[in-house]
Amino acid sequence: DARVTQTPRHKVTEMGQEVTMRCQPILGHNTVFWYRQTMMQGLELLAYFRNRAPLDDSGMPKDRFSAEMPDATLATLKIQPSEPRDSAVYFCASGPRETQYFGPGTRLLVL
Amino acid sequence: GIQVEQSPPDLILQEGANSTLRCNFSDSVNNLQWFHQNPWGQLINLFYIPSGTKQNGRLSATTVATERYSLLYISSSQTTDSGVYFCAVVGGTSYGKLTFGQGTILTVHP
Repeated sequence: DARVTQTPRHKVTEMGQEVTMRCQPILGHNTVFWYRQTMMQGLELLAYFRNRAPLDDSGMPKDRFSAEMPDATLATLKIQPSEPRDSAVYFCASGPRETQYFGPGTRLLVL
Repeated sequence: GIQVEQSPPDLILQEGANSTLRCNFSDSVNNLQWFHQNPWGQLINLFYIPSGTKQNGRLSATTVATERYSLLYISSSQTTDSGVYFCAVVGGTSYGKLTFGQGTILTVHP
């Protein structure tokens, strides 16, 4: 049963620290997405990649967030330095063109 | 960008009841999906339905693209149907870029 996996599942850190979240997309999927979910804003697209190339990262605060795909089996989302307003659930999703399958999310709390 | 509105925002049902959730969108779409977020936070893809009608067990969905809306039907609801239902669309020129509605919170009581 193919699934998107994300690590860590939970992260508590202090303001100013670097946070790295990892995602393993479903094998064969060529599109990878990063979303953030908060109570106030709902689900927001941060960035997405096709065939490992970034297509759109306009939803991401550029000064502190970065997203990469070093290879087809790994996508990373980094926050440096982290701030309390970054507290949220971060989802990775992968898919072929038509459908997206979500990972379990990383629940981030920045104190 | 494209706007997605879902109604109702909240819905409370007794087990066994039927319900209809609605999703309106502001522009043409080439992708529309319905998701269920369970109480543990997992987002589960229910339907990919940019047009037409599909059924999967007690759930079915219909999208009328020309009138810019989609409906999700839940029949004989069960407590395990509780959670948040999201509609998400990709606008005509936005490859792969899903825009989510705010969701309908469904609570099914035994």
